[in-house]
Amino acid sequence: RKEVEQDPGPFNVPEGATVAFNCTYSNSASQSFFWYRQDCRKEPKLLMSVYSSGNEDGRFTAQLNRASQYISLLIRDSKLSDSATYLCVVGSGGYNKLIFGAGTRLAVHP
Amino acid sequence: EAGVTQFPSHSVIEKGQTVTLRCDPISGHDNLYWYRRVMGKEIKFLLHFVKESKQDESGMPNNRFLAERTGGTYSTLKVQPAELEDSGVYFCASSQRGQGTYEQYFGPGTRLTVT
Repeated sequence: RKEVEQDPGPFNVPEGATVAFNCTYSNSASQSFFWYRQDCRKEPKLLMSVYSSGNEDGRFTAQLNRASQYISLLIRDSKLSDSATYLCVVGSGGYNKLIFGAGTRLAVHP
Repeated sequence: EAGVTQFPSHSVIEKGQTVTLRCDPISGHDNLYWYRRVMGKEIKFLLHFVKESKQDESGMPNNRFLAERTGGTYSTLKVQPAELEDSGVYFCASSQRGQGTYEQYFGPGTRLTVT
């Protein structure tokens, strides 16, 4: 079993749609949680950290459920520029070694 | 402020040759990480430096890989001799000093092709 599992995707949605990505992690001792975005042939870019209380950044909302070991990302009012691969990432250990999911591809069309 | 930089951006070498990748972290970031993505797989951790010390090298594939960070500034990752399965994208990331949930910022990566 992979340490971080994500929806396989791809998600093809029209502009303006709301889309949700889910992720589960296997290590209950994990301490930090992130969503990264990766464009084709580019580096991962931090989208947002995920906190236990949930957090929002504009059109993006992240939730964490430690009991279920489940992380989610909600994107509202999708834009063409949101098209990318979204990586669920979990920090492990005191120095935050990152464990990556395989990513979920999002394609937003006009 | 400059981000994480990596050199070269691409490298094509033959099996058995040696390649050295370089990473310059964000200024002031004591933590430096190397990751790798091979074709069709997720990004995997290789190792972590705190300043010049190796904190965790549990992800290094084998002893053909040698990472250094002399002086606690830039880091190099040498592959010697390279094998076909070493092909992939090598990312470097850095974060602020100390433990905790400091966010990691990635460089553009070095795309290594071993033929």
